[in-house]
Amino acid sequence: DAGITQSPRHKVTETGTPVTLRCHQTENHRYMYWYRQDPGHGLRLIHYSYGVKDTDKGEVSDGYSVSRSKTEDFLLTLESATSSQTSVYFCAISGEGAQETQYFGPGTRLLVL
Amino acid sequence: EDQVTQSPEALRLQEGESSSLNCSYTVSGLRGLFWYRQDPGKGPEFLFTLYSAGEEKEKERLKATLTKKESFLHITAPKPEDSATYLCAVRPSYNFNKFYFGSGTKLNVKP
Repeated sequence: DAGITQSPRHKVTETGTPVTLRCHQTENHRYMYWYRQDPGHGLRLIHYSYGVKDTDKGEVSDGYSVSRSKTEDFLLTLESATSSQTSVYFCAISGEGAQETQYFGPGTRLLVL
Repeated sequence: EDQVTQSPEALRLQEGESSSLNCSYTVSGLRGLFWYRQDPGKGPEFLFTLYSAGEEKEKERLKATLTKKESFLHITAPKPEDSATYLCAVRPSYNFNKFYFGSGTKLNVKP
């Protein structure tokens, strides 16, 4: 199994509060991704990173920000959580060349009340 | 517009009844096509990568094939433990930072 951990694994929060999710990898892969998965929508890309301090937006980035200060950590912040951000969040990593397959973490289940 | 469509959305099979799942894609240059299996409450688990038309990969009861417009995941003599959602994703060659996912096929194999 690829060395990817996510924390927390479950979180309940209230509307309007900031929330930070953490993804940690031990594979030293260049690329890291945050997705959300909702019934009927599949996996949708929120943000991705192609190196330390290098990030870009995905298709559903509004209301989310990310930071990557170290190769191994990629943080996703919900600046002011809303009920529409209730979802399951997955982190993924991929390398280059022979390591370009994308591997996923176990997910974080977030409920915004 | 890059797009990945999987069919059927759901498939119910009897144990031992072989079938195929379809992944149709539209992308301006394919760098790779990926198949994943996802069990309830877990992250997607990597199965196969295919790079060029005509390529085939096998693992136990699963076989993935690729043409210029679609990929098939063939399941031979499935068992109940093959029940899961199967996801397909493409990585375009013009922007290999991104992966585009289909919505998945939910497979249920009855004993």
